[in-house]
Amino acid sequence: GNSVTQMEGPVTLSEEAFLTINCTYTATGYPSLFWYVQYPGEGLQLLLKATKADDKGSNKGFEATYRKETTSFHLEKGSVQVSDSAVYFCALNPSNSGAGSYQLTFGKGTKLSVIP
Amino acid sequence: EAGVTQSPTHLIKTRGQQATLRCSPISGHTSVYWYQQALGLGLQFLLWYDEGEERNRGNFPPRFSGRQFPNYSSELNVNALELEDSALYLCASRKVAGTGLGGYTFGSGTRLTVV
Repeated sequence: GNSVTQMEGPVTLSEEAFLTINCTYTATGYPSLFWYVQYPGEGLQLLLKATKADDKGSNKGFEATYRKETTSFHLEKGSVQVSDSAVYFCALNPSNSGAGSYQLTFGKGTKLSVIP
Repeated sequence: EAGVTQSPTHLIKTRGQQATLRCSPISGHTSVYWYQQALGLGLQFLLWYDEGEERNRGNFPPRFSGRQFPNYSSELNVNALELEDSALYLCASRKVAGTGLGGYTFGSGTRLTVV
């Protein structure tokens, strides 16, 4: 079946440090890949996405590249801020999910804390 | 534009009772998804409704059910509550396929606590 594995947190970084959150997936075909962010007390927000191999999704300084050969979609940011403190979820939508299904499989989430 | 709204924000129930959670999607969105976010388990897909019909359900027992109304709002009902049903229940909406893979829009969730 489909699955997403994220590095376990929590991750604690100092402001302006480099961030990497690893995400690998298992799926047949060519799934679409997503990163969602959940700020304290809020629902999930789509951060970025990639729909095919070698695509790079980017938003708010975050980037992730769809690597088919390593089945990975690692999230990176060059310089984190305190306001980036949140839980980050990697997710996939399988390519065989059926027209309109759009049912996502999520990783367990990685909590990031950025300290001044 | 109003986002996805869920009510109530918090709900405390006793084991064996029933809980009803509500979700209003973004205007123009016809699909509603329910997810359970239990501590340490990430998000687990519960149910998908589109155009008033249940289209798919996740690996949950039948006591988890719901419906979608003509205005596309949705209810999630959990019967015979068990302690392990305590979780954050998230609702998400999106337009029907054909409008691109823009991702879901999530609500802020209902925190259900079973005591």
